[in-house]
Amino acid sequence: GNSVTQMEGPVTLSEEAFLTINCTYTATGYPSLFWYVQYPGEGLQLLLKATKADDKGSNKGFEATYRKETTSFHLEKGSVQVSDSAVYFCALGDRGSTLGRLYFGRGTQLTVWP
Amino acid sequence: DTGVSQNPRHKITKRGQNVTFRCDPISEHNRLYWYRQTLGQGPEFLTYFQNEAQLEKSRLLSDRFSAERPKGSFSTLEIQRTEQGDSAMYLCASSLALAGSETQYFGPGTRLLVL
Repeated sequence: GNSVTQMEGPVTLSEEAFLTINCTYTATGYPSLFWYVQYPGEGLQLLLKATKADDKGSNKGFEATYRKETTSFHLEKGSVQVSDSAVYFCALGDRGSTLGRLYFGRGTQLTVWP
Repeated sequence: DTGVSQNPRHKITKRGQNVTFRCDPISEHNRLYWYRQTLGQGPEFLTYFQNEAQLEKSRLLSDRFSAERPKGSFSTLEIQRTEQGDSAMYLCASSLALAGSETQYFGPGTRLLVL
């Protein structure tokens, strides 16, 4: 079946530190991979996505590369800011299926201190 | 493009009461999804529509839950005889399903508290 395993949090960093949040997946088809971010009191916002192997998604300084050989989609940012404090969710969508549902990881809480 | 909207944003109800939530998707999006998110967890799929047709329901969606999308526009999610375990954030998302590519855009959610 389809599933996503995400690095457990919380993650606490100082401003300008390097961020990595690990995400691995299991899929029966040919998934698209997503990172969503949820700021306090708000809904989920799409951060970035990749639709096929070796694609790199990027947005707002965040990057993630779709690695089929390691079934991973780790989120990275070179220099985090206080405003990046949020919960980050890795998600999988199975493009090979008629079903459009997303499978989410449990989320990783990131707190960035000034 | 005004985004996905959900109403109400918050709902407090007593156990045994019925509640109904509304979702207005991004216009021209043909797919609409409902998810449930409990504290400390990622969203879990409940059901989805393509236009007005409900194509799949999760096993999480008990008989007390019903969803509709008349005319393929807005959708409602009703919970009958609410239980304390129904307390959660209910999220709606919409997308334009194209071959090989689909991105779901989420609304702000409706937070339900069952006392």
